[in-house]
Amino acid sequence: ILNVEQSPQSLHVQEGDSTNFTCSFPSSNFYALHWYRWETAKSPEALFVMTLNGDEKKKGRISATLNTKEGYSYLYIKGSQPEDSATYLCAFNRAAGNKLTFGGGTRVLVKP
Amino acid sequence: DTAVSQTPKYLVTQMGNDKSIKCEQNLGHDTMYWYKQDSKKFLKIMFSYNNKELIINETVPNRFSPKSPDKAHLNLHINSLELGDSAVYFCASSQLNRAYEQYFGPGTRLTVT
Repeated sequence: ILNVEQSPQSLHVQEGDSTNFTCSFPSSNFYALHWYRWETAKSPEALFVMTLNGDEKKKGRISATLNTKEGYSYLYIKGSQPEDSATYLCAFNRAAGNKLTFGGGTRVLVKP
Repeated sequence: DTAVSQTPKYLVTQMGNDKSIKCEQNLGHDTMYWYKQDSKKFLKIMFSYNNKELIINETVPNRFSPKSPDKAHLNLHINSLELGDSAVYFCASSQLNRAYEQYFGPGTRLTVT
């Protein structure tokens, strides 16, 4: 059984503040770690795919890091804005497989 | 241009009926998937097809049968619908590059009464 865990489950952030949250995954047979952004009533949209230990990816105010040896990834949001409110999902696939196992998500609510 | 489309978006039906959800992708991807968003909002994979061949078949009741007429389409047929089948079903597609990054359809909300 692959357990992909995200914490916290939900997060309230004041507009302008920065925040981060975690995804932990099995470190054996690692292939890739994905982050998705999922707005209410829409479908998940890909943010990042990371494959190498130490990878860092950035898109605007959102960035992510990867530690495959210890099995965790952080997602950072700098200067949160109300439009950042969404559920952020991470997903893991192992050993070049096309099956992604998703975490339960971190729901972020940015308050004006 | 819609990359991954699903029809219908909403489906309300009675227990015992048979229904289908259709999915089409115009991205040229080789692999397509069906996911179920469960009651706890988790996304759980159900099936995956690569070039019309079934490659992932999770523990799903055999009332659910995927069909892929070509690599751009993956339909989901559900027989003898039960109350517990009520959920949002997402279709997705991917390609090998970018580690099978998923492109999701808009989802189909199925309600069984």
